[in-house]
Amino acid sequence: AQSVAQPEDQVNVAEGNPLTVKCTYSVSGNPYLFWYVQYPNRGLQFLLKYITGDNLVKGSYGFEAEFNKSQTSFHLKKPSALVSDSALYFCAVLTGGGNKLTFGTGTQLKVEL
Amino acid sequence: GAVVSQHPSRVICKSGTSVKIECRSLDFQATTMFWYRQFPKQSLMLMATSNEGSKATYEQGVEKDKFLINHASLTLSTLTVTSAHPEDSSFYICSARISSTDTQYFGPGTRLTVL
Repeated sequence: AQSVAQPEDQVNVAEGNPLTVKCTYSVSGNPYLFWYVQYPNRGLQFLLKYITGDNLVKGSYGFEAEFNKSQTSFHLKKPSALVSDSALYFCAVLTGGGNKLTFGTGTQLKVEL
Repeated sequence: GAVVSQHPSRVICKSGTSVKIECRSLDFQATTMFWYRQFPKQSLMLMATSNEGSKATYEQGVEKDKFLINHASLTLSTLTVTSAHPEDSSFYICSARISSTDTQYFGPGTRLTVL
């Protein structure tokens, strides 16, 4: 079965420091991977995705993610965190024959001054 | 681009009543929309896949007679929670898929409280 894992429930980082939110995947075949962000009481916003091509994917709001096939990882990164980046981040993989998204458990990012 | 709206954003109803939630793709057409449920501080649980012009596909354990889904047009899907009970209180989120990019775009969610 296709799945993703987010090993950290919460990540704390100081504003201005780089941030990493971890995601590992388990899929058969080529993975289609996504990152979404959710602010309180809101829906999910699409950040970026990996389908094929360059392993480093750039997305919205300065975020990027690196697809690493050997480590089966797709970690989300940002060089310099902002307090406004504080939110809940979800990694997801396309499953169900390419029709459904299966989400990780989410990682709460807290960026402090 | 790729904006999805939901209405209402918040609804409070009495036990036993039915509630309809609308999901619209505002600037694109979506043959497939999805309905999720999210409990506090938890991930999203897929309830059903809504296909334009055909019956929805429900996930295991989701009662299709309780959660009625209609996808009558390429820009609108509705979820009706019938005979709502307090345990149906939750945050319901829809998404619409752009087929050419395999990307789902999400609505802002609907907070349902059943008294």
